Amino acid sequence: GNSVTQMEGPVTLSEEAFLTINCTYTATGYPSLFWYVQYPGEGLQLLLKATKADDKGSNKGFEATYRKETTSFHLEKGSVQVSDSAVYFCALIKIQGAQKLVFGQGTRLTINP
Amino acid sequence: SAVISQKPSRDICQRGTSLTIQCQVDSQVTMMFWYRQQPGQSLTLIATANQGSEATYESGFVIDKFPISRPNLTFSTLTVSNMSPEDSSIYLCSVGPTQGLTDTQYFGPGTRLTVL
Repeated sequence: GNSVTQMEGPVTLSEEAFLTINCTYTATGYPSLFWYVQYPGEGLQLLLKATKADDKGSNKGFEATYRKETTSFHLEKGSVQVSDSAVYFCALIKIQGAQKLVFGQGTRLTINP
Repeated sequence: SAVISQKPSRDICQRGTSLTIQCQVDSQVTMMFWYRQQPGQSLTLIATANQGSEATYESGFVIDKFPISRPNLTFSTLTVSNMSPEDSSIYLCSVGPTQGLTDTQYFGPGTRLTVL
């Protein structure tokens, strides 16, 4: 079946550090890939997405590239801010058939000033 | 993207009671989904709710425990029945597109439920 694996957290960085959160997936066919972010006490917000191989999703300084050869969708940001502290979820969906979002376990990110 | 609201935002309930959570969308949407997020965990899909048909439940979730209504294209409810402390979670609704198929779901703010 379809699954998503994220790097284990929690991750703690200093402000302006470079961020990478690894995400790999297992799926048949060609899923769409997403990063969602959950700020403390809030629901999920869509951060970025990519729908086909070699697509790059980007938003708020975050980027992720759909790599079919390595089945990966790693999240990166060049210079993190304290306000980026949140839980980040990698997810996939296959539009054909049941439109079921499959989430990774989430990675808690804390940025210290 | 659609604007999604949920009521209540949080509640504390006694064991054995039931709570109904409402999800309201500001535009008509084809598909609505209900998820559960247990403390410190990821999200798990409970069921898919399409207007005019019965909800489709995922493995491990049953209608008697989580009855769902979808009376129109902008509204849905999820009831958590006969609650126990294990039901303490955040319950989130999400929506699909206004028409056709799409790959993107947008989430409501969630309902934080504590069962004593």
